[in-house]
Amino acid sequence: GNSVTQMEGPVTLSEEAFLTINCTYTATGYPSLFWYVQYPGEGLQLLLKATKADDKGSNKGFEATYRKETTSFHLEKGSVQVSDSAVYFCALINAGGTSYGKLTFGQGTILTVHP
Amino acid sequence: EAGVVQSPRYKIIEKKQPVAFWCNPISGHNTLYWYLQNLGQGPELLIRYENEEAVDDSQLPKDRFSAERLKGVDSTLKIQPAELGDSAVYLCASSLGIAGADETQYFGPGTRLLVL
Repeated sequence: GNSVTQMEGPVTLSEEAFLTINCTYTATGYPSLFWYVQYPGEGLQLLLKATKADDKGSNKGFEATYRKETTSFHLEKGSVQVSDSAVYFCALINAGGTSYGKLTFGQGTILTVHP
Repeated sequence: EAGVVQSPRYKIIEKKQPVAFWCNPISGHNTLYWYLQNLGQGPELLIRYENEEAVDDSQLPKDRFSAERLKGVDSTLKIQPAELGDSAVYLCASSLGIAGADETQYFGPGTRLLVL
């Protein structure tokens, strides 16, 4: 079946530090990959996505590259801000078979950025 | 444009009581999803609707959970009777339903349920 594994959290950084949150996946075929973010008190929001190998998704200074050879989709940002403090979820959709339309999420990584 | 609306935002009930959650998707979105999010974990799909048809309910515990989307717009998820282990956040999401399996799903703020 499909599964997503994220690096253990929480992650605590100082403002302007470099961020990496690791994400690896297991899936058959060619899934689409996503990063969702959940700010305190709010619903999940799509941060970025990539639909095929070597695609790079980017948004709000965040980037992630779909690496099929390593089955990874690591999230990076060059300089984090206090406002980036949130929970980040890596997820995939596998369009085939019974998984159609079903987002499979990792367990989430809590990011806290201090001034 | 209004987002996905869920109510109530919080609910506290005693075990064995019934509870219902309501979701109104983004206008024009044909596909509606209910997800369950346990503390410290990612959401897990319970049921997916395309218009009024439940096309994937394989993860819905049908002995106590039920859902409906009678007119293909808003939806209700019900638990009867609730158990202590049902304490979690219940998320509703919607998508256009025309752009393929990986189209963006838009999530509501969720209903946080506490069963005592």
